[in-house]
Amino acid sequence: GNSVTQMEGPVTLSEEAFLTINCTYTATGYPSLFWYVQYPGEGLQLLLKATKADDKGSNKGFEATYRKETTSFHLEKGSVQVSDSAVYFCALSGGSNYKLTFGKGTLLTVNP
Amino acid sequence: NAGVTQTPKFQVLKTGQSMTLQCAQDMNHEYMSWYRQDPGMGLRLIHYSVGAGITDQGEVPNGYNVSRSTTEDFPLRLLSAAPSQTSVYFCASRPGEASGANVLTFGAGSRLTVL
Repeated sequence: GNSVTQMEGPVTLSEEAFLTINCTYTATGYPSLFWYVQYPGEGLQLLLKATKADDKGSNKGFEATYRKETTSFHLEKGSVQVSDSAVYFCALSGGSNYKLTFGKGTLLTVNP
Repeated sequence: NAGVTQTPKFQVLKTGQSMTLQCAQDMNHEYMSWYRQDPGMGLRLIHYSVGAGITDQGEVPNGYNVSRSTTEDFPLRLLSAAPSQTSVYFCASRPGEASGANVLTFGAGSRLTVL
């Protein structure tokens, strides 16, 4: 079956530091890949997505590239802000396109 | 604003009580689903529906019932609450598969505590 493995948290960074959150996946076929973000006390919202190999999703300074050869979709940001503090979830949609499989989430805390 | 509305936001139950978590969306989405979020477990799919009158089980359906009598509403019922059902519950929806739009819209969540 499909599965998503993302790096364990929590991750604590200083403002303006570089961020990487690793995500690897197992799936048959050609899944779509997503990063969702959950700010404190809120539901999840889409951060970015990629639908085919070598696609790069980007939003709000975050980027992730769909790497089929390494089955990865790592999230990066060059300079984090305090407002980026949140839980980040990697997810994939494959097979029956209705179902989303989530990783366990990575808590990011950015200190001023 | 259009979106997914969940009620209640917080609920405390005693073991054995029943209750219904409500979910409504006004985006005419065909697909609706319920997830639970637990520390260290990520989000796990409980039940989902691909249209009115159609429901199916996800990863962790035991102890929960759902129905989909209208496109807009997808309530989640706990028939006899157990402490293991203490969790944060999220409802999410998206357009039908034919639309090609596979991004879920989430509600703000319902925090349930079972004593």
